[in-house]
Formats: sequence, structure tokens, C-alpha cells
Amino acid sequence: GIQVEQSPPDLILQEGANSTLRCNFSDSVNNLQWFHQNPWGQLINLFYIPSGTKQNGRLSATTVATERYSLLYISSSQTTDSGVYFCAVQGSQGNLIFGKGTKLSVKP
Amino acid sequence: GAGVSQSPSNKVTEKGKDVELRCDPISGHTALYWYRQSLGQGLEFLIYFQGNSAPDKSGLPSDRFSAERTGGSVSTLTIQRTQQEDSAVYLCASSPWGLGYEKLFFGSGTQLSVL
Repeated sequence: GIQVEQSPPDLILQEGANSTLRCNFSDSVNNLQWFHQNPWGQLINLFYIPSGTKQNGRLSATTVATERYSLLYISSSQTTDSGVYFCAVQGSQGNLIFGKGTKLSVKP
Repeated sequence: GAGVSQSPSNKVTEKGKDVELRCDPISGHTALYWYRQSLGQGLEFLIYFQGNSAPDKSGLPSDRFSAERTGGSVSTLTIQRTQQEDSAVYLCASSPWGLGYEKLFFGSGTQLSVL
């Protein structure tokens, strides 16, 4: 089945810093999404981005489908950005397959 | 409802007992997913429904796990003869697949603890 790899696994930032999270996937996909899981466990959908670039405030994402990777950019990070960021891609049966996540800690 | 609703939010049970977890998706969403997340781990796919049918049951870890969906809405995940390794957060998500917009929306999960 399709493999999803995220890097880095852990990231510590000072408040105000920028960061880039990467997601590599092993096969072509029709559906790629980025999620943020806050420290209380709630998963929030950040982007639905099978290709191209989208921006939402301080967050933006780019997927290069032909090269099988996606990037999530966080600018001017805030402590509320802490949590785990997951990339998920759609498998052949329609289910979403998640990477292992990047754990982000933003220090004040 | 406004979001995906899961119940109970917490469940403590004894080893060997059966448990039922419930998921009420966003109204009108045709696709429904169950995932499991162990402490500090990623999300493990369990089963996916399109309407009332389950085209992908490949993630169910054993025959003790089963799920059904009725009326294209509420789904229940049943774990029979629970084991300690079943302890995890069980997450449900729905999406309006078939309506041309495939964002996934998650519930808050059921924390299952098997003693």
C-alpha cells in the first residue's frame, strides 16, 4: 500500500520563528490533507491540497504531485501552534492513510 | 449536527467485556471513517464506510472488531472480548464524499481503557 513519511519527527521553535514540515508519499494520490492535533487531542483539518498551493493566514501548503511531496509552512509561529501535524493521503480503497506526524513545540 | 459527535467520550472496561462506541457524523456526509490512536502514536486506519457499505475493512485488527452503519448515518464500532492492547483513543471522521469536496472532519474521540 501507499507509504507516507513525514519529517522532521520533532521540532522545537522559538515563538516568532518560521518552519517547514515535509510529507513524502510513495504513489500518486487524489487526496492529500494536512491536520493539526492540538495538545487536547482534537484533530483539525488545515488544508485539502492534492496539488498546488493554498494559504490560510500564517499557514500555507504546497503539494507537488508529480514529485510526490507536500510542504506545510508555518510563519511567525505562536505557542498555540504547538501540537502534532499530520499529513494524510487517500489510498486506493478510499481510506485516508496518515503519516506518523511532526510534533511541534513552540516556546515563548 | 454541527460536527462529528462521538460517545462515550471515555470508557473504562474490564478485560473480556464487550464495548460499543458510537459515531454520529455531520448530517449529509456519506463517507465515515474509524481510526485508532494509541498514546503518542499516529492514526491507525480501521474501517471506512461509503453510505452503509464498507468497501475497506482491511484495517480491523482482528475478528473481535466489527462495525456497522445504518441509514447512512450513525455508526457503531464493537469490540468483543476486549484486551488490554485495545486501549487507545478511537476516532471517527466523516466527509461529504460524492459531493465533490473531500475534506475530513474528526470527532473528539472515545478514550477506551481496558483494565
